[in-house]
Amino acid sequence: DAGVIQSPRHEVTEMGQEVTLRCKPISGHNSLFWYRQTMMRGLELLIYFNNNVPIDDSGMPEDRFSAKMPNASFSTLKIQPSEPRDSAVYFCASSPLPGTDTQYFGPGTRLTVL
Amino acid sequence: DAKTTQPPSMDCAEGRAANLPCNHSTISGNEYVYWYRQIHSQGPQYIIHGLKNNETNEMASLIITEDRKSSTLILPHATLRDTAVYYCIVRSYSGGYQKVTFGTGTKLQVIP
Repeated sequence: DAGVIQSPRHEVTEMGQEVTLRCKPISGHNSLFWYRQTMMRGLELLIYFNNNVPIDDSGMPEDRFSAKMPNASFSTLKIQPSEPRDSAVYFCASSPLPGTDTQYFGPGTRLTVL
Repeated sequence: DAKTTQPPSMDCAEGRAANLPCNHSTISGNEYVYWYRQIHSQGPQYIIHGLKNNETNEMASLIITEDRKSSTLILPHATLRDTAVYYCIVRSYSGGYQKVTFGTGTKLQVIP
């Protein structure tokens, strides 16, 4: 079991550039979550998918952020245009079923926007 | 979801039991208590969860008070590798929607 896979692990970009973060959930898991972690705000839930359908995106900071899940094995989080305040570690997590107990987190993508 | 309160930091001697408290006085009847930990910028790792009965697994034990307003995570024999931030979370599931709010957690330092 490879676990949740995220890429890239590190991303450095300049303000105004488009950034795409990728996530492959654990095979067979039906729920996928995107989180952001910063020192100031801790770990925040950005968006949650169930069976590839976005259920709650109330945590997405603004329109510059978008997330898609075109199939059960792939999701992207896009920031366009990026800003320095978007610098954070972005985690993807998956869980087997809606309402189930355990979320399995990926290793995260550390994003730095200069 | 109910709010949780945890001490910001704790120390524990290696080999001793680490007891991490969590207050969730506004918990409702259908809300579970979950514990995760995060080791040095890695992704959070699930530890244990419970509703009202005490629970034990290979990693830890969870003691929930009878009124469910507080709980304690117990690591029976803490090792240096248990140094991490521990998050206590209360969550419920309703109609396909689940939301998890991580607080600031307790930073546990295991001391040699």
